[in-house]
Amino acid sequence: ILNVEQSPQSLHVQEGDSTNFTCSFPSSNFYALHWYRWETAKSPEALFVMTLNGDEKKKGRISATLNTKEGYSYLYIKGSQPEDSATYLCALSDTGRRALTFGSGTRLQVQP
Amino acid sequence: DTGVSQDPRHKITKRGQNVTFRCDPISEHNRLYWYRQTLGQGPEFLTYFQNEAQLEKSRLLSDRFSAERPKGSFSTLEIQRTEQGDSAMYLCASSSREGMQETQYFGPGTRLLVL
Repeated sequence: ILNVEQSPQSLHVQEGDSTNFTCSFPSSNFYALHWYRWETAKSPEALFVMTLNGDEKKKGRISATLNTKEGYSYLYIKGSQPEDSATYLCALSDTGRRALTFGSGTRLQVQP
Repeated sequence: DTGVSQDPRHKITKRGQNVTFRCDPISEHNRLYWYRQTLGQGPEFLTYFQNEAQLEKSRLLSDRFSAERPKGSFSTLEIQRTEQGDSAMYLCASSSREGMQETQYFGPGTRLLVL
């Protein structure tokens, strides 16, 4: 059973603050690491898929890095805005399986 | 909108009743997944189809749960004799073959409450 852990569980920041979250996972059998953003009453939205050690991806003010050797990924949000308020989920796919194993998520609230 | 759709969005039922949920994937996607999410947890995998074939089932999928994907298009998830512990958000996702970077696209979910 894979164990994907996210920290912190929740985060309250002020508009304009930069923030980052951590996703930890077992490095054996790694295939890909996914980040999703899930706003209340909406569909989880795919942000990034990363497969290679040292990968860095960016989408607007959001970026992510991946370290497969030590088993972690960071998600950064630069200059948080109220519309960034959501739950951020990371998910692991391992070799041989299509199913994703999710962490419990980091709930971000950005105060105006 | 050409995303994944799910119906209904909300379902309230009494313990012991049967419920069925529907998922319509993105039209060109050949893979379809069901996940379940309970409060404070991330989504947990239930089952996966490639076209009409059900290729993997989680141990979470008890005998009361059955999923189908006739003709490899939409899918249904049925829960028989519902229990209060079945209360959760049921999410559907679809994907297509994209090599190493396959992305699963999720629907908005069906929130089930069993009284």
